[in-house]
Amino acid sequence: DTGVSQNPRHKITKRGQNVTFRCDPISEHNRLYWYRQTLGQGPEFLTYFQNEAQLEKSRLLSDRFSAERPKGSFSTLEIQRTEQGDSAMYLCASSLKGTQETQYFGPGTRLLVL
Amino acid sequence: AQKITQTQPGMFVQEKEAVTLDCTYDTSDPSYGLFWYKQPSSGEMIFLIYQGSYDQQNATEGRYSLNFQKARKSANLVISASQLGDSAMYFCAMREAVGGTSYGKLTFGQGTILTVHP
Repeated sequence: DTGVSQNPRHKITKRGQNVTFRCDPISEHNRLYWYRQTLGQGPEFLTYFQNEAQLEKSRLLSDRFSAERPKGSFSTLEIQRTEQGDSAMYLCASSLKGTQETQYFGPGTRLLVL
Repeated sequence: AQKITQTQPGMFVQEKEAVTLDCTYDTSDPSYGLFWYKQPSSGEMIFLIYQGSYDQQNATEGRYSLNFQKARKSANLVISASQLGDSAMYFCAMREAVGGTSYGKLTFGQGTILTVHP
């Protein structure tokens, strides 16, 4: 399978716990994006990387959120001290920098904070 | 102001009929890209079709075509010969190149739920 993969697919946690999600992009893609999607809404941009550099962060990304892409390949998104409002689907996408730059999405990680 | 507006929360179509899903956008950037994605109940976003702001012709991909009206800032998705498997949520999205730099991020609309009846 050469698509974008995300792990875990589902995560249930208690309020106040830390969680970490992983995204493996399509191998030749140098751009990687994180989005958050709540029920009935379109995805909202969180942050993106070009290679290992984090080039933009949304205001949605509070201090409790941190993302890394240490070697320009896979990425992790960590949420510290989770809150019930963090419950959502977290989507990762990757693209190749160029004219069209179509983003291809992974299956997402569905987070439920109790 | 909403950058991407999808005014149809839900649409119904008979199998084998064509259906148009509406999308209007708002940008002052001359260089932008418009995308449509399909999201089945499984949750994965599936890329369908792309239209660049400088493209002279409407994009087509199999049964999908994009009716691009630049002056009206609309980018409607047309699905011909609907199939039961087309039942899903459909999102219109835009990528802007602010100041000539492509930031890459997509801005999505609220989505339209399409139901195909047999």
